[in-house]
Amino acid sequence: GVTQSPTHLIKTRGQQVTLRCSSQSGHNTVSWYQQALGQGPQFIFQYYREEENGRGNFPPRFSGLQFPNDSSELNVNALELDDSALYLCASSHSFTSGGTDTQYFGPGTRLTVL
Amino acid sequence: GQNIDQPTEMTATEGAIVQINCTYQTSGFNGLFWYQQHAGEAPTFLSYNVLDGLEEKGRFSSFLSRSKGYSYLLLKELQMKDSASYLCAVRDGNYQLIWGAGTKLIIKP
Repeated sequence: GVTQSPTHLIKTRGQQVTLRCSSQSGHNTVSWYQQALGQGPQFIFQYYREEENGRGNFPPRFSGLQFPNDSSELNVNALELDDSALYLCASSHSFTSGGTDTQYFGPGTRLTVL
Repeated sequence: GQNIDQPTEMTATEGAIVQINCTYQTSGFNGLFWYQQHAGEAPTFLSYNVLDGLEEKGRFSSFLSRSKGYSYLLLKELQMKDSASYLCAVRDGNYQLIWGAGTKLIIKP
């Protein structure tokens, strides 16, 4: 399945954070989401074959990488209080590769910014 | 803009049937997903509809009408463990998922 680390993280405003995700074996697409309490997931960006393949309405201080070994990371610079949320990683096998593109989620990282 | 509407909260009784509705307005349509999310956990995939009609999967069924921009998730023989949020998500014309805010389902004994 999809794994994420760490499970919980506490940072202070202005700091930088890196969240990690390991995709399900055989999946070539990873998407990152931010989910505030009581809300649906908000799309941050998606990576396909190590290239950014779509981005939601998030500022450039949110950046990411996808590696050849099915792992990826989300970096957030200059943390703000509003960045406190659950960050979810989801992997899928894209349409263009013959998959259904159904997304399977990791357990998430709960980020608290003080 | 694009939006997905779901009721915020619903209450049902153990053993009963509940229908959770989802209406959507998106730029293009390439499928609709339902996910279940227990508090503090990640969403788990329940169903996928891309053609009109009903998809049945055990106690859960999902229906889609593309012309009406409408879907519902039907849960039968409700169990206490079905207490969770149910998220509707639509894949738009750019193949990106647009998510609803979720419906919190409360099951009472």
